[in-house]
Amino acid sequence: QVHLQESGPGLVKPSETLSLTCAVSGGSISSYYWSWIRQAPGKGLEWVAFVSNSGFSNYNPSLKSRVTISVDTSKTQFSLKLTSVTTADTAVYYCAGDLGDSIFSLWGQGTMVTVSS
Amino acid sequence: QSVLTQPPSASGTPGQRVTISCSGSSSNVGSNTVNWYRQLPGTAPKLLIFTNNQRPSGVPDRFSGSKSGTSGSLAISGLQSEDEATYYCASWDDSLNGYVFGTGTEVTVL
Repeated sequence: QVHLQESGPGLVKPSETLSLTCAVSGGSISSYYWSWIRQAPGKGLEWVAFVSNSGFSNYNPSLKSRVTISVDTSKTQFSLKLTSVTTADTAVYYCAGDLGDSIFSLWGQGTMVTVSS
Repeated sequence: QSVLTQPPSASGTPGQRVTISCSGSSSNVGSNTVNWYRQLPGTAPKLLIFTNNQRPSGVPDRFSGSKSGTSGSLAISGLQSEDEATYYCASWDDSLNGYVFGTGTEVTVL
């Protein structure tokens, strides 16, 4: 059974870069499309970015200028970088996977990131 | 920002049927399938319904989904206390070339 585990700092200062990693275990990282989805406190889900198993990536237009998603198949993990963060980027960040069918069958447990000085 | 619109809340007594709507547009629900996720407080969302009306293994048949035009719908029949959660619809958006989620519906069992 495929397991996802997010990791990264829980606190980031405004204007700095948020970096998160999602470790994939129990399955082939190459079989899935990988996404980051976030949820601000008390709010709904917001898709941030995805990367396909061929390396194609796309980003939420509202975040596109600040986001990079990448996959490291040798380490069986994928990552998110979000630059110039503000308090509006405070959220639980989930990593998720789908088989290229837009169905998020895999979810990590989520990691809370707070942007504060 | 949510592109798919859901009612903020829904409620019913045990045993009743509750329906949640998901309104989108031609670029998302109108041309792609709808999936539903259930989120309990403090936990990650979990897939509940996929491809409009399919249930993953382990999901009771009390949960059903449908789609018509640019709207999807989730029905919970025989409502139980453990169904209290927030439910989100989701779809691929051809204009965005990405995923869109609904605004979420909090279900309360009275």
